Amino acid sequence: SAVISQKPSRDICQRGTSLTIQCQVDSQVTMMFWYRQQPGQSLTLIATANQGSEATYESGFVIDKFPISRPNLTFSTLTVSNMSPEDSSIYLCSAPVGRGTEAFFGQGTRLTVV
Amino acid sequence: QQQVKQSPQSLIVQKGGISIINCAYENTAFDYFPWYQQFPGKGPALLIAIRPDVSEKKEGRFTISFNKSAKQFSLHIMDSQPGDSATYFCAASLSRASNYQLIWGAGTKLIIKP
Repeated sequence: SAVISQKPSRDICQRGTSLTIQCQVDSQVTMMFWYRQQPGQSLTLIATANQGSEATYESGFVIDKFPISRPNLTFSTLTVSNMSPEDSSIYLCSAPVGRGTEAFFGQGTRLTVV
Repeated sequence: QQQVKQSPQSLIVQKGGISIINCAYENTAFDYFPWYQQFPGKGPALLIAIRPDVSEKKEGRFTISFNKSAKQFSLHIMDSQPGDSATYFCAASLSRASNYQLIWGAGTKLIIKP
């Protein structure tokens, strides 16, 4: 198993500002994933972050809005830039551990933009 | 082709009853089918998973039934307990794919009535 620590767990931010979410894994992992989850909805993949290369973004998500860093094999950050109320959501980081197919998740960051 | 369709959207079951959640997929290349359980304020956690070489997998009160010809799989929770009240997500992936990406169902909110 793996432990994924994500912080902050929640935040209330002013529109136009940026928030950086941190994700720490207790073991080295090749890939890390960032998801967005609206309350009561499924998970939407934002991007995949590999160590040493640029993140790969899914359709509808761009680097300027959601810059990602992956400085080593245990850590990643997601920044939500120039926030608007539409960015209010739960953001989750995830990593496949072990045989690669079992994905572990952080507890999520509940973001409210006012 | 990449979709995973999950039903029902919500489910209420009496304590001690059987909870059944269904998923259908389109891509016959998928070869890994996990179920995740998510409690409010937490990230999803792997509950049980199956590969298409078996038709059923059981872990305690949780069973996955898999029908390869129908491209369907389901989660059965026997003797459902109030502590099982959560949102359940099915997913599918190509385990041999290098990106370990999961395709998620829409989720089922399960409520077990005491």
